[in-house]
Amino acid sequence: SQTIHQWPATLVQPVGSPLSLECTVEGTSNPNLYWYRQAAGRGLQLLFYSVGIGQISSEVPQNLSASRPQDRQFILSSKKLLLSDSGFYLCAWSSYNSPLHFGNGTRLTVT
Amino acid sequence: AQKITQTQPGMFVQEKEAVTLDCTYDTSDQSYGLFWYKQPSSGEMIFLIYQGSYDEQNATEGRYSLNFQKARKSANLVISASQLGDSAMYFCAMRDNRGSTLGRLYFGRGTQLTVWP
Repeated sequence: SQTIHQWPATLVQPVGSPLSLECTVEGTSNPNLYWYRQAAGRGLQLLFYSVGIGQISSEVPQNLSASRPQDRQFILSSKKLLLSDSGFYLCAWSSYNSPLHFGNGTRLTVT
Repeated sequence: AQKITQTQPGMFVQEKEAVTLDCTYDTSDQSYGLFWYKQPSSGEMIFLIYQGSYDEQNATEGRYSLNFQKARKSANLVISASQLGDSAMYFCAMRDNRGSTLGRLYFGRGTQLTVWP
């Protein structure tokens, strides 16, 4: 069966520090991969999605970036975090006809 | 543009009663999919139920059913026999099948459901 792993679960980082969140999927090949962000008490905002290795589409301009170095690995990064980057980050995968399957999320607090 | 509207920020229901969570959508596409997710306080997103735009029957999964009214562009979630563990945020989402954004989901803002004893 397919599983998705996302880490770390929680993270507290100072303003201006770098960020790297990692997500891996097992049990499937060539999945579509997504990074969503959820601000407190709000819905989900799509940040990035990828349909293949090295293929990244950005939905909103920001100081975050994403990379897909391997088929089932998706990384969310920032060179310098802002206070506004605080939130709950969710990685997800899907295939064409499947629902989105989410990781357990990372709670990021930028101080 | 795609749009999902959930007009109920919060809903309350007594245990063992049924509850309907509203969702309307806006799309000019003929082929699309509709989803409901549950997000408990722990944060994970749990897939509940799916309805395809060409499905003639309303989807059902255990105590969850989706009241799909295509002409009205609504996809309401019905939870029967509510349980205390159903207390959570519920999100309606739509997936389009256009090539440029294949597979991405558009989410509503969610409805916080509280089940009381």
